[in-house]
Amino acid sequence: NAGVTQTPKFQVLKTGQSMTLQCAQDMNHNSMYWYRQDPGMGLRLIYYSASEGTTDKGEVPNGYNVSRLNKREFSLRLESAAPSQTSVYFCASSVAGTQETQYFGPGTRLLVL
Amino acid sequence: AQSVAQPEDQVNVAEGNPLTVKCTYSVSGNPYLFWYVQYPNRGLQFLLKYITGDNLVKGSYGFEAEFNKSQTSFHLKKPSALVSDSALYFCAVRDPPRGYNKLIFGAGTRLAVHP
Repeated sequence: NAGVTQTPKFQVLKTGQSMTLQCAQDMNHNSMYWYRQDPGMGLRLIYYSASEGTTDKGEVPNGYNVSRLNKREFSLRLESAAPSQTSVYFCASSVAGTQETQYFGPGTRLLVL
Repeated sequence: AQSVAQPEDQVNVAEGNPLTVKCTYSVSGNPYLFWYVQYPNRGLQFLLKYITGDNLVKGSYGFEAEFNKSQTSFHLKKPSALVSDSALYFCAVRDPPRGYNKLIFGAGTRLAVHP
């Protein structure tokens, strides 16, 4: 049982390049989330998927798109990377519902030059 | 709007001493509160949560947190700190109105436990 896995661990992009961050969970969770972590700002929600087939915007969705490929996988795409998107990205999942604990992946460190 | 504040950027404690990491919140309605810990180059790990019931919540690794409604606080505590507790700690509150589990995180507090 690997929990939440993310690939890649680290990526360097040039401004304007695109990339997709991958996330998968093997806990049969319904809900999945993408956060970014910046120094002194905690974690901010980019997008979430309450259940398979649905996605919705969080606090900071601009410049990102997501795909809930199936129940296990939830990808985050940067279409045209900008230096302001340099951050650490975390994927999380939870069973469902409003009381449920979210479980986090190890993160992807992204540097945009 | 819902918010969480962690007033200390860093807390320094000697090993064996009690530790407290502070968190205050602002929500409409009943708060659902969480503490997470992040070790270097790792994802966040769940420590404990308060949903309802007993104001003293016990969690992983000997941590506990006290919910105080009148002071709108949810401070994290441990009776005897270990060097291995050194990490970044996040308090979070659920944003209730939308009916999904959106968490609002504080900025984090770095705990340094010295031998």
